[in-house]
Amino acid sequence: DGGITQSPKYLFRKEGQNVTLSCEQNLNHDAMYWYRQDPGQGLRLIYYSQIVNDFQKGDIAEGYSVSREKKESFPLTVTSAQKNPTAFYLCATWGLAGHGELFFGEGSRLTVL
Amino acid sequence: AQTVTQSQPEMSVQEAETVTLSCTYDTSENNYYLFWYKQPPSRQMILVIRQEAYKQQNATENRFSVNFQKAAKSFSLKISDSQLGDTAMYFCAFMPASGTYKYIFGTGTRLKVLA
Repeated sequence: DGGITQSPKYLFRKEGQNVTLSCEQNLNHDAMYWYRQDPGQGLRLIYYSQIVNDFQKGDIAEGYSVSREKKESFPLTVTSAQKNPTAFYLCATWGLAGHGELFFGEGSRLTVL
Repeated sequence: AQTVTQSQPEMSVQEAETVTLSCTYDTSENNYYLFWYKQPPSRQMILVIRQEAYKQQNATENRFSVNFQKAAKSFSLKISDSQLGDTAMYFCAFMPASGTYKYIFGTGTRLKVLA
């Protein structure tokens, strides 16, 4: 089935540890996005990528890093520099053939202990 | 920089009534897309309706319609004949058509439909 797979769904991390969230898509979409969702703050853009080997910072990129080595994959690393990493993270994709709609994964819930 | 503002954190409406959710945005772009997304308790994001800025006609999708005022940079969502299943978070979103692909969202409005 076509879609976006995020993993893991739930993740626990100790303070000071880096953690990587996976996002894989088989929709053949060019653009991929990472958002962070906190209560009362909506979806805030962390990073986005329009093509392979290229990505741009969003509004809250500090403490995060990404890579886009393959069209299908856009992993997000939450580093120890991120001061408040506990949140719900959503990956999304966008394709030229669509009507501007973003397609979302099911999300990953990260909790820092 | 583009911004999207939703000034109503929470709203409620009686079943079968009509409710309007507000959204304003700021951009220097002339051509862009605007969207409303719904996020039910399952947290799965669902596209409700979209509007291209170059189209003057307001978009409609069944019980959902928008009031797009380009000069005022306003994009409100009207839900008619509200149903219990409409209970969700609603997010307004913006994407420029210039090819930058930066897709941003507002802070959301939590809508509760009351029986």
